[in-house]
Order: sequence, then C-alpha cells, then structure tokens
Amino acid sequence: GQNIDQPTEMTATEGAIVQINCTYQTSGFNGLFWYQQHAGEAPTFLSYNVLDGLEEKGRFSSFLSRSKGYSYLLLKELQMKDSASYLCAVRQSKAAGNKLTFGGGTRVLVKP
Amino acid sequence: DAGVTQSPTHLIKTRGQHVTLRCSPISGHKSVSWYQQVLGQGPQFIFQYYEKEERGRGNFPDRFSARQFPNYSSELNVNALLLGDSALYLCASRKDRGAGELFFGEGSRLTVL
Repeated sequence: GQNIDQPTEMTATEGAIVQINCTYQTSGFNGLFWYQQHAGEAPTFLSYNVLDGLEEKGRFSSFLSRSKGYSYLLLKELQMKDSASYLCAVRQSKAAGNKLTFGGGTRVLVKP
Repeated sequence: DAGVTQSPTHLIKTRGQHVTLRCSPISGHKSVSWYQQVLGQGPQFIFQYYEKEERGRGNFPDRFSARQFPNYSSELNVNALLLGDSALYLCASRKDRGAGELFFGEGSRLTVL
C-alpha cells in the first residue's frame, strides 16, 4: 500500500518563506506531484519531481529525495493569494498501476 | 480550449438513491480518472479509465462504477447512496495512460441527506 504524510496546517506571514514537507512510503515510485487547491476549486498543478534534487519554478520550488521518501514544496515571497491547500501526490510505476495517490493536504494561511 | 468539464456542479440526493456524474476530458486526452474528496482531506482515487477500459480501481465498494465512452467522456455511477458518500467528486484527464500531469475539473459536489 501507500502512505503519504504532510502537516495539516501551517501559518506564515506575507513576504516570508514556508516549507511544506511530505514523506511517503510506496511500492514502485514513479514521480511526485504538488498541487495547489483553493477552497471550493479544483486542484491545479504546481510541480513534478521524478529524479532527486530541486526543481525551481518562479516563487515555488520542489525538492525530492527518493532514498529518504521525502519531498518538500518551498513557497517564497508569500502573497495573500497563496493561502490554499497544498497537496502532495505520489505516482506508482506502470507495473504497480500508474495510480496517483494524494496526501491529506496542507492548508497554508498567509497573514498580512 | 475548454478544460475538464463536469456536470452537475452541485446536487442533493437522499439515502438509497442513485447518482450519475459526468465528465468531459480536455480535447485529445484519452485517460480519465475519478477522485472523491471529503471536506478537509485529499482526493481519494476511485477509478482510472484509458481507451474505454478500466485501468485502475481504488478501495471503494461495488456501489461505485464508471465507464468511458468512445469520445473519451466518462460517467461515474454511485448506487444505494449513503450519508458518507457526501463529497466533492473530481474528474481528471491526462493525455496518455500514465505520463504527464492530471488536469482536474471543478468537481461535482454531492450532498446526501
């Protein structure tokens, strides 16, 4: 089976940096995704890591360590509009069904 | 280009009833997945369809069924509704079976009374 853990909630100040950690246990790892979901809306894609290391995309960066089963999403220069839930999702290999499994989400509240 | 579209957006049913939710993927996308998202939790995988065949199924009872049509649109059916089926049902599409990101629709919010 799969197990994905991320903190339930985090609070940060506008302009600051927040790091959302995600740990996972899976059979047949084939990539890790981060999605952003505003309340009442659909999840939207943020980043994808399949190899170890850091992927940077503007104010958002995502890191992966496959040996540790660990990823983080780094949000820099926080803006009020970044208040949302951030979902970590792990994709299994084709042999294991290609299934994408989500964590419970981390609700980030940005305060002025 | 239109994104993933789902209907209806909101619906209310009573226990024991049946519901059908519909999804049209992004044009050119052949894979459709269904997820259930209970308030305050992450989406839970229900089904994946690719080229009209079921390619994956999550840990949901047989009351849940789905199908994909020749135009790649999909339906999710839930029979004998329970209060616990109240959730946001998300449909997501991708171009191929396994590669690439999922694009989500806005969801169908089901309330079971």
